[in-house]
Amino acid sequence: ETGVTQSPTHLIKTRGQQVTLRCSSQSGHNTVSWYQQALGQGPQFIFQYYREEENGRGNFPPRFSGLQFPNYSSELNVNALELDDSALYLCASSLASYPSDEQFFGPGTRLTVL
Amino acid sequence: AQKVTQAQTEISVVEKEDVTLDCVYETRDTTYYLFWYKQPPSGELVFLIRRNSFDEQNEISGRYSWNFQKSTSSFNFTITASQVVDSAVYFCALISGGGATNKLIFGTGTLLAVQP
Repeated sequence: ETGVTQSPTHLIKTRGQQVTLRCSSQSGHNTVSWYQQALGQGPQFIFQYYREEENGRGNFPPRFSGLQFPNYSSELNVNALELDDSALYLCASSLASYPSDEQFFGPGTRLTVL
Repeated sequence: AQKVTQAQTEISVVEKEDVTLDCVYETRDTTYYLFWYKQPPSGELVFLIRRNSFDEQNEISGRYSWNFQKSTSSFNFTITASQVVDSAVYFCALISGGGATNKLIFGTGTLLAVQP
């Protein structure tokens, strides 16, 4: 148990739709990172938020966006879904964004795009 | 370029065998951090270890041990006397640079199957 929760557990959408995934971080953790893990691959960094501001972004298009709220919850939004967006989406929370700050991962949301 | 390579896609062993998972990394930064994570079928990534680039001491934690060699850019993970509960996907990861970033760069993972 890492104290990080994600909802929903599974989700099925069709191409072109929009989706919102949610993450609840550990209390006191000001940083949340989102990763996309395609089947058989390692997680890929999407972006990171620190105190409600985006603090770094990976190689993902603008249709991937996020929000972080003062109550340690956050959202990942994906517009205009594509088949390749099918993946496990993981969030990770940490106190801050230094390498020494351990990241605690949630169980993920498995998104299937048909 | 920053990259992590785990050449072993799948490994199958019988319980009580020792097994080594290989990890090779690439970075031009002199300050970096290496990690190993375990991902059981539930999906949650479980942190196992973090090493920084200035500490090449090998580490042992129970049945787990890690061998960090800067000369070969490798950070290998050995499980001694494997158990069925060790079955999972194991990821090696890198954070490169000494700034305020904890963006993880993951390898493709090694699926370890321990047979009873």
